[in-house]
Amino acid sequence: DARVTQTPRHKVTEMGQEVTMRCQPILGHNTVFWYRQTMMQGLELLAYFRNRAPLDDSGMPKDRFSAEMPDATLATLKIQPSEPRDSAVYFCASGFHPVAGANYNEQFFGPGTRLTVL
Amino acid sequence: AQSVSQHNHHVILSEAASLELGCNYSYGGTVNLFWYVQYPGQHLQLLLKYFSGDPLVKGIKGFEAEFIKSKFSFNLRKPSVQWSDTAEYFCAVNAVSGGYNKLIFGAGTRLAVHP
Repeated sequence: DARVTQTPRHKVTEMGQEVTMRCQPILGHNTVFWYRQTMMQGLELLAYFRNRAPLDDSGMPKDRFSAEMPDATLATLKIQPSEPRDSAVYFCASGFHPVAGANYNEQFFGPGTRLTVL
Repeated sequence: AQSVSQHNHHVILSEAASLELGCNYSYGGTVNLFWYVQYPGQHLQLLLKYFSGDPLVKGIKGFEAEFIKSKFSFNLRKPSVQWSDTAEYFCAVNAVSGGYNKLIFGAGTRLAVHP
């Protein structure tokens, strides 16, 4: 049963520290998404990759957040330096989308990384 | 800009009651519509989706949704809820923006079902 995996599942860190979250998309999927979920803001799209190329990171604070896909099996989201307001659950999702404008297939979500910044 | 509105933020029902969760979207083009469910402490899972064809879509666990194009709505329904349906429900619409697609999620509706 193919699944999106995320590590770590939980992370507690102190303000100012670097945080790296990792995601392994489902094999064969060509789109990867990073979302942040908080009680106040709900589910926010941070970044979106297709075929490893970043297409949209407008939802991401550029000064401290960065998202990359070093290869097709790994996506990373880094926060440096971290702040208490970054505390949230970060979800990675993957899907297969052949071409822009075509019907959009579903996104499969990972279990999330619960980040607490003290 | 495209947006998705879920009018009910919190819904409380007794078991066996009927459920309808509202979802309206703002987008003038062709849309693909989704309902996701998030059980407590878990990730989002797909309940059902609409691409084209019959506007009444049936999903897992007895859920269904009806796409009404003239009302820009995609409401989720279940005739008789169970305690295990306690979860948060998200409506999402796929919209083409800047030459590519992305899902836009609503704020979510928290459903609590009491025995």
